[in-house]
Amino acid sequence: EVQLVQTGGGLIQPGGSLRLSCAASGFTVGGNYMSWVRQAPGRGLEWVSFISGEGKTAYGDSVKGRFSISRDKSTNTLYLRMNSLRAEDTAVYYCARLYGGDSLLFDYWGQGALVTVSS
Amino acid sequence: SHILTQPPSVSVAPGETASITCGAANIELKGVNWYQQKSGQAPAFVIYYDSARPSHVPARFSGSNSGNTATLTISRVEAGDEADYYCQVWNSTSDHPVVFGGGTKLTVL
Repeated sequence: EVQLVQTGGGLIQPGGSLRLSCAASGFTVGGNYMSWVRQAPGRGLEWVSFISGEGKTAYGDSVKGRFSISRDKSTNTLYLRMNSLRAEDTAVYYCARLYGGDSLLFDYWGQGALVTVSS
Repeated sequence: SHILTQPPSVSVAPGETASITCGAANIELKGVNWYQQKSGQAPAFVIYYDSARPSHVPARFSGSNSGNTATLTISRVEAGDEADYYCQVWNSTSDHPVVFGGGTKLTVL
């Protein structure tokens, strides 16, 4: 059974750092595109980052240079390191698998982790 | 890059048909995926590659894509279909390949 179980999140002061984790089971993170998507309170979905099976990474403009996506193949875990956090980074963060051929879709999602950036 | 335009809200009575659109220039050239997000839950895909339906999604859900508009259609709407719906495309030639629509709140009257 495919599962994504997230840990991390919480209340952090502006300028602080936080790491989110996403433990996968039923498939390997190293063999798939993996992504982070966030949702600010009352807002829509915003793509944050992805890492390809080959290790290529990409970031949305709002987080580029501050956030870093990585994975640990030995523990089958995806990470999102968030630095220089701002109030506007407050959101529920979801990890998800991107799957498909020419057009990728998010087929499995984690349960979400709330990150609140506030003093 | 694509900007995907969705109506903020759609309202329909139980048993009627709901149509949720997703607009962008030449969107027919892209495979469009649709997600349902119920209150307090993670999103889940309901239609992929324009019109394919996963086995766990009722046949009442269908999708189409032509010209500048992709459409998610929900027939015989039920109270349990009330949710936010998002379209999404993958633009492989872009530095920002993942694009979501702004979302549509489906209200069942």
